[in-house]
Amino acid sequence: DTGVSQNPRHKITKRGQNVTFRCDPISEHNRLYWYRQTLGQGPEFLTYFQNEAQLEKSRLLSDRFSAERPKGSFSTLEIQRTEQGDSAMYLCASSLLETQYFGPGTRLLVL
Amino acid sequence: AQSVSQHNHHVILSEAASLELGCNYSYGGTVNLFWYVQYPGQHLQLLLKYFSGDPLVKGIKGFEAEFIKSKFSFNLRKPSVQWSDTAEYFCAVDLADSGYALNFGKGTSLLVTP
Repeated sequence: DTGVSQNPRHKITKRGQNVTFRCDPISEHNRLYWYRQTLGQGPEFLTYFQNEAQLEKSRLLSDRFSAERPKGSFSTLEIQRTEQGDSAMYLCASSLLETQYFGPGTRLLVL
Repeated sequence: AQSVSQHNHHVILSEAASLELGCNYSYGGTVNLFWYVQYPGQHLQLLLKYFSGDPLVKGIKGFEAEFIKSKFSFNLRKPSVQWSDTAEYFCAVDLADSGYALNFGKGTSLLVTP
């Protein structure tokens, strides 16, 4: 399968802990996006990269969130000092042009 | 601010019934329009997209959508639904001048009964 992959698929953590998620985009896709989806809502944009450059961040991305794409391939999303409100599905998507292809997501539960 | 509205949050249909899901967006500039589907336990998949040209676009699995610029609408249709169409459907709009980040509606949950 050469689609977008995300790891881990599920993460349970205690409030205050740090978590890191990984996204591997489709090979040769230069754009990579992170979204967050909570129950009953559509995905909400968090940030995006073109190659290794982080070009846009949503106001949803508080200073506890950081994302990297060091070599323009895979990306990581880190949440520091997790809060219960961070519980959500974190989705990654990649694209070459306008059409984005989504991964299966990482479901985070903060206890 | 740009927004995407999906009018129906939950729809229940019998097999063979026709489907139309509404989507309206608010933005005056150039947009690209998408419908994504999420089947139970699966990830988001692209159903169809509109960038330019013929406002009636056809997607996978017999779905189509019509872009009506004057109404800022991009409604999804299927003449005859099947049980396997049970899923969550999301309308999305991107901004060509914002890295193509997607702005999604809240989604419509479709249940097709046998």
